[in-house]
Amino acid sequence: DGGITQSPKYLFRKEGQNVTLSCEQNLNHDAMYWYRQDPGQGLRLIYYSQIVNDFQKGDIAEGYSVSREKKESFPLTVTSAQKNPTAFYLCASRLLAGAVETQYFGPGTRLLVL
Amino acid sequence: GENVEQHPSTLSVQEGDSAVIKCTYSDSASNYFPWYKQELGKRPQLIIDIRSNVGEKKDQRIAVTLNKTAKHFSLHITETQPEDSAVYFCAASINNNDMRFGAGTRLTVKP
Repeated sequence: DGGITQSPKYLFRKEGQNVTLSCEQNLNHDAMYWYRQDPGQGLRLIYYSQIVNDFQKGDIAEGYSVSREKKESFPLTVTSAQKNPTAFYLCASRLLAGAVETQYFGPGTRLLVL
Repeated sequence: GENVEQHPSTLSVQEGDSAVIKCTYSDSASNYFPWYKQELGKRPQLIIDIRSNVGEKKDQRIAVTLNKTAKHFSLHITETQPEDSAVYFCAASINNNDMRFGAGTRLTVKP
C-alpha cells in the first residue's frame, strides 16, 4: 500500500473549470497509470507513462491531460472538455523489469461536480 | 483492442462454501492476468495473478486457472469467510501495459 499517494481524497469541480489530481510514488517505479472507475464498469485506462516525458493514451483519454516531468509524479488534469467527470480516479505504478511486475494502486481521488 | 467480460456481476455464498468468478478475454496476445479485490471506498489490491505460460496457480484458499485456447480464466475461493466479501476484478494485458478490466463481481459471504 505505502509509497503511492493521491491527493486530494475528495475534489469538487465547478462547471468549466480545470482541476488537477496529484499522484506521487516513492517506489522508484518506472511506469505510472491513471484509471477511472464508474459504478458497474470496472476500471478504464485514461493515460499511462513508462518513462519521463513520455505518455500514451488509454481508452478514454478525451477531456484529460497528463504530464510526466519527474519519475515520481504523474498528475492528471480533468479539463472542462470532460463533460461527465464525476468518478473515482485511481493512480497506479509498477516497476518495469525482465519479469512482469504488479501494478500497485494509490488510495484514489473522488471527483464530484458542483 | 482487448475486451474482458466478467461473470457473474453479483455472487452470494454461504460461509464455508466455494466461490467461482469467470472472465473471458478477446486478444490472444494477452499474457498477464491479475485479480484484484476492492473493498468499499478502498484501492484495489492484487490477490493473485497468472501468466500465460502457466495453467493454474494457487495461494492458500485462492486459485486461478487459465485456459489459453478458450481464452478464459477463473478465480476460485474455497472455504469462504465474511471478510472475503468485496468486489473482485479480473484483468488482462500484454506485459501488464494497457490493462483491460472486467466490470467486477460483488461477492457477499453470508455468515
